[in-house]
Amino acid sequence: DAGVIQSPRHEVTEMGQEVTLRCKPISGHNSLFWYRQTMMRGLELLIYFNNNVPIDDSGMPEDRFSAKMPNASFSTLKIQPSEPRDSAVYFCASSTSRVLSNYGYTFGSGTRLTVV
Amino acid sequence: KQEVTQIPAALSVPEGENLVLNCSFTDSAIYNLQWFRQDPGKGLTSLLLIQSSQREQTSGRLNASLDKSSGRSTLYIAASQPGDSATYLCAVRARELSFGAGTTVTVRA
Repeated sequence: DAGVIQSPRHEVTEMGQEVTLRCKPISGHNSLFWYRQTMMRGLELLIYFNNNVPIDDSGMPEDRFSAKMPNASFSTLKIQPSEPRDSAVYFCASSTSRVLSNYGYTFGSGTRLTVV
Repeated sequence: KQEVTQIPAALSVPEGENLVLNCSFTDSAIYNLQWFRQDPGKGLTSLLLIQSSQREQTSGRLNASLDKSSGRSTLYIAASQPGDSATYLCAVRARELSFGAGTTVTVRA
């Protein structure tokens, strides 16, 4: 298995532009999570999906952030408009089932976002 | 809200020394605990997963213990090597996965 695949690896954009981050979870995993990592706040859960349905988006910082999971093999995290304080590494993770809880999380390599 | 604390924040040891990394959490109602390794600029690599019913897990030179009642886990790395230099993150899974801030380890050759 190729693991959790995220794209792009790096993104540099100007303030005010729209940014879309992409994630392909491990095949067969039905839970998907978006995290943000910064030096100041560490790893923060933004949103998670179970069976393609958003379960908890309470970690999404503002209305500028939105996430979708149109099918079991693809998810996007969009920031519109982007701001310099959004600069961080965004990780996607997947797991087999959140309810069973007997499985760990597998993380992607992350997208390093820089907003100038 | 679950709070996860890792002590120390940083650790520097000579090669060959054993490493002891500590993790504590406030809510003992967890499903499992997972230790990750993160290299600079890289993603998270899962090292060990301990179920709430287990006391420890071992993989090669790594051993992780879990005392759920006291809210503690310890990661032991035997005979450290320079390649073990990284940040080690502890994460507990209850309603969601909550992370500690990590322990940054430097193993000096």
